[in-house]
Amino acid sequence: AQSVTQLGSHLSVSEGALVLLRCNYSSSVPPYLFWYVQYPNQGLQLLLKYTTGATLVKGINGFEAEFKKSETSFHLTKPSAHMSDAAEYFCAVRGSGGSNYKLTFGKGTLLTVNP
Amino acid sequence: DAGVTQSPTHLIKTRGQQVTLRCSPKSGHDTVSWYQQALGQGPQFIFQYYEEEERQRGNFPDRFSGHQYPNYSSELNVNALLLGDSALYLCASSFLEGGQDTQYFGPGTRLTVL
Repeated sequence: AQSVTQLGSHLSVSEGALVLLRCNYSSSVPPYLFWYVQYPNQGLQLLLKYTTGATLVKGINGFEAEFKKSETSFHLTKPSAHMSDAAEYFCAVRGSGGSNYKLTFGKGTLLTVNP
Repeated sequence: DAGVTQSPTHLIKTRGQQVTLRCSPKSGHDTVSWYQQALGQGPQFIFQYYEEEERQRGNFPDRFSGHQYPNYSSELNVNALLLGDSALYLCASSFLEGGQDTQYFGPGTRLTVL
C-alpha cells in the first residue's frame, strides 16, 4: 500500500522568498518519489524524481527535494520564488519492485507568488 | 522529439453516452498509463497498458476499458457516462528499465458530462 500527504492545499509567498512544499509518504517497500507541476489547463510536468542513490535531488527551474527515510518525507524547496512558479504542485509515490507500476498522488498544493 | 499527445482536447457528452479518448506515447516509450483528475484533486490511476495487455488496474468500474495498439498508442473508453465522470483525463507514457521508469504526461482531455 502507498499513500501521499501534502500538507497545505495552498501556499502564498512573495517573489524572492523561499518556497517549501511539504510531502510525506507511506510505502510498504522502498519508494520512488516524484514531484510534478501543473500549470493552469495543462498536463503534469516532471520537476524531479528520487529512485536510489543521493538523497538530495535537483530538478528543473531551480527546485530541489530531499528524501528523508526516517521522516518519510520528500519536501520540495526553491530558494527564491519567481512569478512563473505560480502553479499547482503534486507529490507522487510508486513502490519499487514487484508488479506495482501506478503512481499515487497527493491532493496537490497551489502555489501563489505575490509581487 | 514529440512528447505525449492526446486527443481530443475537450469533449462534451451527455449521461449514458460512450466516449473514446486517444493517446500517443513519447518516442521510445512502450507503456501507457491513464489517470483521472477531478477538479481540485490529484490524479487517480485508472490502468496501465504494456505489450497490448492491461498490466495493472486501479479502483475504477468496468465501464472504463482500454486498448493498446502495436505502435504503443492507446485508447481509453468509458461507457454509460455519469455526471461524476467529468474530469481531466491524463495519459502518461514510460519505459521500464532496471525496474525503474518515469511517467511523462500529456496535456490531457477535458471531459464534461451533462
